[in-house]
Amino acid sequence: EADIYQTPRYLVIGTGKKITLECSQTMGHDKMYWYQQDPGMELHLIHYSYGVNSTEKGDLSSESTVSRIRTEHFPLTLESARPSHTSQYLCASRPTRYNEQFFGPGTRLTVL
Amino acid sequence: AQTVTQSQPEMSVQEAETVTLSCTYDTSESDYYLFWYKQPPSRQMILVIRQEAYKQQNATENRFSVNFQKAAKSFSLKISDSQLGDAAMYFCAYRGNLQGAQKLVFGQGTRLTINP
Repeated sequence: EADIYQTPRYLVIGTGKKITLECSQTMGHDKMYWYQQDPGMELHLIHYSYGVNSTEKGDLSSESTVSRIRTEHFPLTLESARPSHTSQYLCASRPTRYNEQFFGPGTRLTVL
Repeated sequence: AQTVTQSQPEMSVQEAETVTLSCTYDTSESDYYLFWYKQPPSRQMILVIRQEAYKQQNATENRFSVNFQKAAKSFSLKISDSQLGDAAMYFCAYRGNLQGAQKLVFGQGTRLTINP
């Protein structure tokens, strides 16, 4: 398995709380991605980054925000969690000259 | 926009048998990449096999092989000698090769069950 980490793995939180989902990779990959996946369903890209200080919104509209201050770190933040944010969030990365994306283990978020 | 379709939400196969998972895609590009990813229950998504569109030869990785039909925009995955550890969700994915087109487009997934 690739060296890409996500914390926490599971999070149950109340409505209105601010949360940050962490994603780190130790492979020096410049491209990183966040996907949202409901159980047993397809993945939807919500954010991606080409490198430090570069972030773009993905195909699925999301109320979350991301930052990329360091190459290895790509956190996702929800300022005010709502039940509609309940889902699994997958982080991925890949180097520029390589086609494969490496995925983290995911964070399963439940907002009550 | 590119789309990927997996028409089989669920498939099952007997252990040691062969199963084929279907995938079709829609694109106007001529140069692209196709992937099959495996997502076991509660475990990380991993790459099973990749195919470059410019290559006519079908990719093979041990028990996994693809049938890539570029004109038909079809990309099926064949698993031979199925094992219990093959049970997972399988996602077909597309990535274009235009500059800036860094994103994977995923199909809906096929849940594969292996019957002992």
